[in-house]
Amino acid sequence: KQEVTQIPAALSVPEGENLVLNCSFTDSAIYNLQWFRQDPGKGLTSLLLIQSSQREQTSGRLNASLDKSSGRSTLYIAASQPGDSATYLCAAQLTFGTGTRLQVTL
Amino acid sequence: EAGVAQSPRYKIIEKRQSVAFWCNPISGHATLYWYQQILGQGPKLLIQFQNNGVVDDSQLPKDRFSAERLKGVDSTLKIQPAKLEDSAVYLCASSSVGGPGNEQFFGPGTRLTVL
Repeated sequence: KQEVTQIPAALSVPEGENLVLNCSFTDSAIYNLQWFRQDPGKGLTSLLLIQSSQREQTSGRLNASLDKSSGRSTLYIAASQPGDSATYLCAAQLTFGTGTRLQVTL
Repeated sequence: EAGVAQSPRYKIIEKRQSVAFWCNPISGHATLYWYQQILGQGPKLLIQFQNNGVVDDSQLPKDRFSAERLKGVDSTLKIQPAKLEDSAVYLCASSSVGGPGNEQFFGPGTRLTVL
């Protein structure tokens, strides 16, 4: 049974910092890994999808990497902004982690 | 392109009552998912449809939960009777093609409170 872990559970950084969110999964036989953002009381917004044959995907200030052999993915956010404050969730196919709650302060 | 639509957005019921949620996926999306998200946790898959057939319902509590997608488009999820522990946000998602390698798009969710 797939298990997904996200560390840290919460993170507070000052505006402008670069940061890395971590996601680990136990079963490397996945077709894809997807990163989402969730604002309070809202649904999930897709950020990046990495197919199993890919190593990374980039969108604007976001870069996600995937290492299936080690069961790890990272989401890198460059030059963080207060608007980036949200909970970030990763999903190894259809199994989600519990998320990292990010707060970017002025 | 319209996103995934869900209704109602909020529902409050008493335990042992029944409730139904509705989802309309993105037009043309063959695969539809229902998730349960309890406060402070990640979403948990309840059921996956491919067109109007069930692909995976292994985590659906079938003694009280049921779901259907009769015409391969919109879907309903029902709980009967509800328990206190069913209080959660119910999320619907869709993806364009069958198979596990496709990007999921989520609706806004239905927040259920069971008193």
